[in-house]
Amino acid sequence: KAGVTQTPRYLIKTRGQQVTLSCSPISGHRSVSWYQQTPGQGLQFLFEYFSETQRNKGNFPGRFSGRQFSNSRSEMNVSTLELGDSALYLCASRYNGAYEQFFGPGTRLTVL
Amino acid sequence: AQTVTQSQPEMSVQEAETVTLSCTYDTSESDYYLFWYKQPPSRQMILVIRQEAYKQQNATENRFSVNFQKAAKSFSLKISDSQLGDAAMYFCAYRSATSGSRLTFGEGTQLTVNP
Repeated sequence: KAGVTQTPRYLIKTRGQQVTLSCSPISGHRSVSWYQQTPGQGLQFLFEYFSETQRNKGNFPGRFSGRQFSNSRSEMNVSTLELGDSALYLCASRYNGAYEQFFGPGTRLTVL
Repeated sequence: AQTVTQSQPEMSVQEAETVTLSCTYDTSESDYYLFWYKQPPSRQMILVIRQEAYKQQNATENRFSVNFQKAAKSFSLKISDSQLGDAAMYFCAYRSATSGSRLTFGEGTQLTVNP
């Protein structure tokens, strides 16, 4: 079974731009979660989508948004990028009722 | 809100020796899950071991075991017979049984394995 995939793997943007990151979960997994990892703040939960509905949301500004499609693929969007948005963005998927979440390799976003 | 604390930013161990990584958490919930994740330099998060709060028996996975003390809200990871491939950042994580997939992570412990 293929693992969680994230595209693109690396991204460089400038302040004020917007960006869209994509995550394809493991087949059959309907829950997709997003996390931001930075040296200063560590790993922080952004949001979770389940069956195309946002089920959970972390403490991030409205510039961070997401969505999930009927095939469970998810995208997250960051508008009006700031330098502090530079981070590794991790996506994880989980089969409903299972304990384990499986993580993707991440997207490294650099904001200049 | 739940919090997870890892008080050891860095640890080192000699190959073949045993090392214990500490983790404490704070929650008012009674039903939850605890995890240890490993993040090598590739940045790929890999689940090492999990513990369900309702289970009294400590989880074990090959060379990895936990010491789960529910009353003390402590969840330490013991790595036996350490191998060079164990070198990584280790994260302790908490998940409520009622909040979907949301994980709350500790700050991480960087483990170095010396040959």
